[in-house]
Amino acid sequence: GAVVSQHPSRVICKSGTSVKIECRSLDFQATTMFWYRQFPKQSLMLMATSNEGSKATYEQGVEKDKFLINHASLTLSTLTVTSAHPEDSSFYICSAPGSYEETQYFGPGTRLLVL
Amino acid sequence: DAKTTQPPSMDCAEGRAANLPCNHSTISGNEYVYWYRQIHSQGPQYIIHGLKNNETNEMASLIITEDRKSSTLILPHATLRDTAVYYCIVTDNFNKFYFGSGTKLNVKP
Repeated sequence: GAVVSQHPSRVICKSGTSVKIECRSLDFQATTMFWYRQFPKQSLMLMATSNEGSKATYEQGVEKDKFLINHASLTLSTLTVTSAHPEDSSFYICSAPGSYEETQYFGPGTRLLVL
Repeated sequence: DAKTTQPPSMDCAEGRAANLPCNHSTISGNEYVYWYRQIHSQGPQYIIHGLKNNETNEMASLIITEDRKSSTLILPHATLRDTAVYYCIVTDNFNKFYFGSGTKLNVKP
């Protein structure tokens, strides 16, 4: 099946710094990718839709200036958490739709810890 | 918003069938039912999906009621490695996935 990777798998940063997370579709092209956030013992929450060549669309309540999304190519989307604070500590997951009835393929996730 | 409701947890004995229910009473005619599972600290894994007919693959079977308002995921012979949170998802506009709270399946020896 299709493979989606994320980098890094785990990151620790100081409060106030920015952190970039990469999401790559390894063996297929994705004009659209999705970003999710998951807090401990909670479900995945859709944050935004990343669109290749155009602006991302954000779900209600998600700060677009806080979570910058860039979809620079058909295989890469990046999520930058700007001026990170401890409350941004979470598990960030991306997904990309495959060609078969729009099945979503998920990355392994990135665990962010802001100190 | 999630359009599905699932029981928060279920137990199943190893080797027995696990039957996980999902209600999606507001499903639209062109929306699919997807099932994914998430093992701790990993990304969700695709299991199966369907529109109207029952489906079976190497992992599981999906039974969708005739009115499409509910479905059941069946793991025919559960193993300890099937312990996970199982999510039932009904696709929304532009194929966005809105996750509900899922069912924590505990497979016990």
